[in-house]
Amino acid sequence: EPEVTQTPSHQVTQMGQEVILRCVPISNHLYFYWYRQILGQKVEFLVSFYNNEISEKSEIFDDQFSVERPDGSNFTLKIRSTKLEDSAMYFCASSVQAGVYGYTFGSGTRLTVV
Amino acid sequence: GENVEQHPSTLSVQEGDSAVIKCTYSDSASNYFPWYKQELGKRPQLIIDIRSNVGEKKDQRIAVTLNKTAKHFSLHITETQPEDSAVYFCAAPRGKSSGSARQLTFGSGTQLTVLP
Repeated sequence: EPEVTQTPSHQVTQMGQEVILRCVPISNHLYFYWYRQILGQKVEFLVSFYNNEISEKSEIFDDQFSVERPDGSNFTLKIRSTKLEDSAMYFCASSVQAGVYGYTFGSGTRLTVV
Repeated sequence: GENVEQHPSTLSVQEGDSAVIKCTYSDSASNYFPWYKQELGKRPQLIIDIRSNVGEKKDQRIAVTLNKTAKHFSLHITETQPEDSAVYFCAAPRGKSSGSARQLTFGSGTQLTVLP
């Protein structure tokens, strides 16, 4: 079964540093998403991406965050100047069609800001 | 925007008993309701979903019911087993209308513990 792949699985970074989280969506999927989950809390939407541009973003997705699809396979989330409260599990997801049908989540990147 | 409420936050059942988790949503335009199971440290995995044109859907021991009038939907697990122990999240779409990459709004989760 096709999978959404995320790297790294765990990233530890110093507060104030920049991090890039990487995702390889399923190859025929067209819609891409980033979510985050603070430990013990619910999954929260960050941003959706289609046709090389952001479709929607949440209040969490401020100027500190950016997304990019640098080539035909990768989808990245960049966090500039990380804060302690950015520590969370970050999940990438993709879907082949519009809407939320057929959403597949990646295995996640645990980001720890120290 | 969509608001999804989920109850209970924790649920313990004896192995073999049934478990029911309920969610309510606020956006009457929502038309798709997935349920995810998340084991500790792992990704949310879709276990069942329902579209708004049906009232119930079953898949072996798992079923989901939808009441559009009351704007609530429920997950039913029968003959529970210890491996059903996990956090379960309901979700509903919000955002732009069909044709765009819509986001999911998740409930706060239910920690289900199945006691052997």
